[in-house]
Amino acid sequence: DIQMTQSPSSLSASVGDRITITCQASHDIINYLNWYQQKPGRAPKLLIYDTSILDAGVPSRFIGSGSGTLFTLTISSLQPEDFATYYCQQYRSFRSFGGGTRVAVK
Amino acid sequence: QLHLQESGPGLAKPSETLSLNCSVSGASIVSPSYYWGWVRQSPEKGLEWIGNIYFSGVTDYSPSLKSRVTMSLDASRNMFFLTLTSVTAADTAVYFCARVRHAVAFDFWGQGIHVTVSS
Repeated sequence: DIQMTQSPSSLSASVGDRITITCQASHDIINYLNWYQQKPGRAPKLLIYDTSILDAGVPSRFIGSGSGTLFTLTISSLQPEDFATYYCQQYRSFRSFGGGTRVAVK
Repeated sequence: QLHLQESGPGLAKPSETLSLNCSVSGASIVSPSYYWGWVRQSPEKGLEWIGNIYFSGVTDYSPSLKSRVTMSLDASRNMFFLTLTSVTAADTAVYFCARVRHAVAFDFWGQGIHVTVSS
């Protein structure tokens, strides 16, 4: 099994801040990584696939990068609608998700 | 507009078999570009992938659930299904069905159905 570890598990930030979330894989997953955003009571929403490609309609302030075992999701200027929980997901071997990072209002 | 809708019992007893349905509208499940999948979410385990199915019937299951999971589909009704046997309290979760782009990215999700396993 490939374990995905996200950090931090939560963070507090203000509108306009630049934030970065890290996702570490227990094994080399090349660039087989996706990112999702989930708001309370809703299903996850695909943001980024293949490490860095924005899904349709996703704003360019979301930036994905990384390779191998270490990946990041950066929001360059946090907007009010971005307060949510973010998850990474690998597809190198079967599928597995990280534990999530909650982005809260400071 | 693509829409996925889960249905099934919200309560199951320990050792029973859980059966969930996913009805798809706005697109055909007979599509060469997409698989169809199930993911569940609980406070204890977070998001957990259960498995994917292709319109041809090819399936791919999580190793940790493989012995208890069966996925199937009915193209005539544009639906796919999940069966989970011998459920325990650990199977209590919100179950989501989703479209899976190229078998790797969950790009459209249902709203989820909460299932509680309790006697």
